Amino acid sequence: DIQMTQSPSSVSASVGDRVTITCRASQGISSWLAWYQQKPGKAPKLLIYAASSLQSGVPSRFSGSGSGTDFTLTISSLQPEDFATYYCQQANSFPLITFGQGTRLEIK
Amino acid sequence: EVQLVESGGGLVQPGGSLRLSCAASGFTFSSYWMSWVRQAPGKGLEWVANIKQDGSEKYYVDSVKGRFTISRDNAKNSLYLQMNSLRAEDTAVYYCARHTLWPWYYFDYWGQGTLVTVSS
Repeated sequence: DIQMTQSPSSVSASVGDRVTITCRASQGISSWLAWYQQKPGKAPKLLIYAASSLQSGVPSRFSGSGSGTDFTLTISSLQPEDFATYYCQQANSFPLITFGQGTRLEIK
Repeated sequence: EVQLVESGGGLVQPGGSLRLSCAASGFTFSSYWMSWVRQAPGKGLEWVANIKQDGSEKYYVDSVKGRFTISRDNAKNSLYLQMNSLRAEDTAVYYCARHTLWPWYYFDYWGQGTLVTVSS
């Protein structure tokens, strides 16, 4: 099974900051990776797919990069609505799917 | 507008059964892979099961194999999850999620979730 490890588990930042979240796969997954945002009590929302493709309607301050085993989600200038939990998801072993454990982004 | 509406959650005793439903609207249901994803209280996301467009292929996370069954009725635009031999560790919010059209690998729409609590 492919394991996904996110770091950090939580991060504190201020509005306007640049934030980077990392996701590492236990084996190579090419570019078959997505990022989701989840706010408390809500369903997850797809932000990035295929490692770096921005989902329709998602602000351009969100970007993704990486391939193989190491991936990053970057928020270029944090907005108040960006404080949430972020998950990576690997799809290399589709139809079997795994998520990272999540990274909680908190207000400093 | 794409909508996914789950129902059927509730309180059940360990060893009991429950059937979740997901009513889909606003898209051609029969064209999409569909999944169930769960989230235990205060925990992360866990993919549970998925099913191919025509129902011919079904896949499960190891922890539910032999206990859960995913199914769909394309005529009724509905997805189901039959859960048997429930355990305390199955307690979670269960989300119905639509896979992207191509590639099929991601989830672009989610329902609001239905809470399943397994407790005596």
